[in-house]
Amino acid sequence: EAGVVQSPRYKIIEKKQPVAFWCNPISGHNTLYWYLQNLGQGPELLIRYENEEAVDDSQLPKDRFSAERLKGVDSTLKIQPAELGDSAVYLCASSLNMRTEAFFGQGTRLTVV
Amino acid sequence: GNSVTQMEGPVTLSEEAFLTINCTYTATGYPSLFWYVQYPGEGLQLLLKATKADDKGSNKGFEATYRKETTSFHLEKGSVQVPDSAVYFCALSDLDTGRRALTFGSGTRLQVQP
Repeated sequence: EAGVVQSPRYKIIEKKQPVAFWCNPISGHNTLYWYLQNLGQGPELLIRYENEEAVDDSQLPKDRFSAERLKGVDSTLKIQPAELGDSAVYLCASSLNMRTEAFFGQGTRLTVV
Repeated sequence: GNSVTQMEGPVTLSEEAFLTINCTYTATGYPSLFWYVQYPGEGLQLLLKATKADDKGSNKGFEATYRKETTSFHLEKGSVQVPDSAVYFCALSDLDTGRRALTFGSGTRLQVQP
């Protein structure tokens, strides 16, 4: 069974440009998470979806970040415009529901120059 | 709010040495506790978990016991090997508070030398 798939693995962009990350969760997993991992730190939650509904987006900087999960399956996370401080690894995870183990993708490493 | 504190790394050990990575937590409810591992170039993987006080999680020779009285969940392994070199994250999930996602510590890098 395929795990959580994220793309791209690496992305380098100039500041003020837009960028998007894509996540395909494990089949049948209703809960999807986006985490931000800064260098040398643990992941921090950006947004959690239950099916297609964003149920916890309190940590998502809504002035420049947006996310969607159409049809409750794949999800995209977008930054527009990107800032230097957005350089980090963006992790996607999924679980059957909020009470079960979360499985993580390999992440997208973003570098803003 | 919830928080997790881990010992800072890197932790450098020789093969077959005993490993302890300390983890303490703060939570308003009764959390579940986890250790995740991140091998170089790979995503986070669940290593072990414990869902209530005095539970012991174990996997691949690693163990951790949920200690409510000391709010700790220290990771131990009796004899580390070179392939154990990775970054280890302690985390908690507290369903009672509504913030139903993992809260992670900052990670501890383990380097095992042959």
